[in-house]
Amino acid sequence: NAGVMQNPRHLVRRRGQEARLRCSPMKGHSHVYWYRQLPEEGLKFMVYLQKENIIDESGMPKERFSAEFPKEGPSILRIQQVVRGDSAAYFCASSPTEPGQGFAYTFGSGTRLTVV
Amino acid sequence: GNSVTQMEGPVTLSEEAFLTINCTYTATGYPSLFWYVQYPGEGLQLLLKATKADDKGSNKGFEATYRKETTSFHLEKGSVQVSDSAVYFCARTNSGYALNFGKGTSLLVTP
Repeated sequence: NAGVMQNPRHLVRRRGQEARLRCSPMKGHSHVYWYRQLPEEGLKFMVYLQKENIIDESGMPKERFSAEFPKEGPSILRIQQVVRGDSAAYFCASSPTEPGQGFAYTFGSGTRLTVV
Repeated sequence: GNSVTQMEGPVTLSEEAFLTINCTYTATGYPSLFWYVQYPGEGLQLLLKATKADDKGSNKGFEATYRKETTSFHLEKGSVQVSDSAVYFCARTNSGYALNFGKGTSLLVTP
C-alpha cells in the first residue's frame, strides 16, 4: 500500500517560471492538504481539497498560487511566476475522510522547490 | 491565536541519555496535540498524539502528557538512540484538519 506520493522530489526553477507540484494521495483517500515549510520554520497550512472542490484555501497566498484536485489524477499545486521567497519544502497529506478532532493524516516526503 | 512554541535546538545528546523537548500551546479552545518526527530527506511521520487533558501519548519509547494547567505537551524519552536523530515538531489542531506546527527541534544523538 503505497503512501502519499509527491513528485518531483526536487524542483529548480528560475524566477518568473511556473512550478507544478504533484501529489497522489494514499489509495482510498479523497481528502488532500498542502503545507509549506520555509527554511527554519514549521509547516504552515495552505489549502484543503476534496475531489473537485477546494474546501479551505485560507493559508494560500492570494496571488500566483492555485491548487486543484481533479476527479481523475493527482492533486496539483501550481505556482506562477515564482520568486526567490517561494523556495521551500511543500508537503502534501491525505486522509480517507475529513479528520475529526484528534485525527492525524499521512504526509508525503515533500517537494523541495528552489528558485534561482 | 492557535500557536505552538517549542524549544529551540539543536539538541545534542549522547546515546542512552534522557531526552526532553519542551512544547507549549496557546490555551484557545480544546485542541488535540501531536508530535511529528522528520528524518533527513523524508516527510513528517506521526509519533504520538493526545486529544484531551491528562491523556498520555506514547510510541517507540517516546511519551508526552497533555497538561492543561501548564498548557504543555513536552516530549520525553528515557534512553535515546542514534537512530532517534531527527527533527521533532509539536503541533495542534482545533479544526480537525489544519495543523499548527512549531518551528521544530533538531535532535542529534551521538554514539
